Amino acid sequence: VQMTQSPSYLAASPGESVSISCKASKSISNNLAWYQEKPGKANKLLIHSGSTLQSGTPSRFSGSGSGTDFTLTIRSLESEDFAVYYCQQYNEYPPTFGSGTKLEIK
Amino acid sequence: QVTLKESGPGILQPSQTLSLTCSFSGFSLSTSGICVSWIRQPSGKGLEWLATICWEDSKGYNPSLKNRLTISKDTSNNQAFLKITSVDTADTAIYYCARRARIGWYFDFWGPGTMVTVSS
Repeated sequence: VQMTQSPSYLAASPGESVSISCKASKSISNNLAWYQEKPGKANKLLIHSGSTLQSGTPSRFSGSGSGTDFTLTIRSLESEDFAVYYCQQYNEYPPTFGSGTKLEIK
Repeated sequence: QVTLKESGPGILQPSQTLSLTCSFSGFSLSTSGICVSWIRQPSGKGLEWLATICWEDSKGYNPSLKNRLTISKDTSNNQAFLKITSVDTADTAIYYCARRARIGWYFDFWGPGTMVTVSS
């Protein structure tokens, strides 16, 4: 299953809200996870099952969607949120990832 | 506290075999439902799942690389291993190990990654 993320780059200011799209090449039900990548840190699981926040994920993060279209929304951006975000489907074997969205400070 | 850490050779030559070690703590690969995976990321490219090994010794490999991959574990020492044979420059990447979640094929804890460069 191919995963297409958009946009590849996104610039925003602290306090703003942003959304990242992830589209699957076929239906994956709600079997989608979102990760955050930051330099020098281990990747962090933010959301699984499309919309379930992993323990420790701040409530300003939310996930939505099912089937082929998914969205990660971050409300009221904080400085620690500027990072790269990846989606991953696990409905079909092998698990596959999106190409990533780099969220930068405007 | 769950932690994972990868180690590898740093640099190796084309046609050699890449050997990677994942050392972890905070969980055991002898516990029912626990699996450890290897994932890589070539520079400027996306993440690619490579292989997974589980507590009962079941193994899964990415079909695109299956013939070149061997995953194994040492439960007593809390380690998992990956070997990739016949490497070439396309195998240059950051290699991560990660714990697979119990309820689905996503990854709830990751190591920081180890950079591997294939160069003559």
